[in-house]
Amino acid sequence: AQTVTQSQPEMSVQEAETVTLSCTYDTSESDYYLFWYKQPPSRQMILVIRQEAYKQQNATENRFSVNFQKAAKSFSLKISDSQLGDAAMYFCAYRSAQGGSEKLVFGKGTKLTVNP
Amino acid sequence: DAMVIQNPRYQVTQFGKPVTLSCSQTLNHNVMYWYQQKSSQAPKLLFHYYDKDFNNEADTPDNFQSRRPNTSFCFLDIRSPGLGDAAMYLCATKGPRWGNEQFFGPGTRLTVL
Repeated sequence: AQTVTQSQPEMSVQEAETVTLSCTYDTSESDYYLFWYKQPPSRQMILVIRQEAYKQQNATENRFSVNFQKAAKSFSLKISDSQLGDAAMYFCAYRSAQGGSEKLVFGKGTKLTVNP
Repeated sequence: DAMVIQNPRYQVTQFGKPVTLSCSQTLNHNVMYWYQQKSSQAPKLLFHYYDKDFNNEADTPDNFQSRRPNTSFCFLDIRSPGLGDAAMYLCATKGPRWGNEQFFGPGTRLTVL
C-alpha cells in the first residue's frame, strides 16, 4: 500500500519570504499523480498544484512550485513571496493511475503560519 | 458557479440519535466521496461512489452508511452516533478523467452531545 509522509507538522515563514514544505511517498507503481491541497482555517480544501509522475518537468502555479524527484520519491512544495492568505494546513496526496483507483492517500499535513 | 454543497454546515445530535448529512454537486462528476476529518488530522476516507457503485473502506464502521439516489446527491447516514464520531465530514467529487482533482465541499461539523 502507498504511504505519504509529511515530516514537518508545523512551519512558519515571514511574509514575502519563501518556504518549502516537504513530502515523501512510498509506492511500487511507476505511474501516479501527486497533489498539494490547502485547507485554510474553517474553510474548504482546495487544490494548490498537481504533478503527473510521467512528466519530468516540475509543475508551477504562480507563486507555487514543486520539486518532484521521482527516484527519491520526493514531492516538495515551494511557496514564494508568502502572503498572509497562504496560512493554512497543507496536505500532500498521492493517487494511483491504475485503472479503477479513485482514492487519494493523504499525508498528515503541515500547518503553515505566515508572520507579518 | 459549479460547486460542491454540503448541508447543514453545523449539525448537533444526541448520542445514539440517527443523523443524516447531505451533499450535492453541480459539477456532474461521476465519483463522490465521504471523508471524516478530526481536528488537525488528514481526511480519512469512509467510502466513495463510482457512478452507482458503492465502495466501502475496510475500516469504516457499520454505523456509517451512504446513499446516492442520483448523480447530484449523496447522503451520509450515521445510525447511532457516538462521542467519537464528532468530526468534520467532507464531501468531495471527481470527474471521469484520470488525474482530475477532487473538489471538496465546505464540510459539515458534527457535534455529538
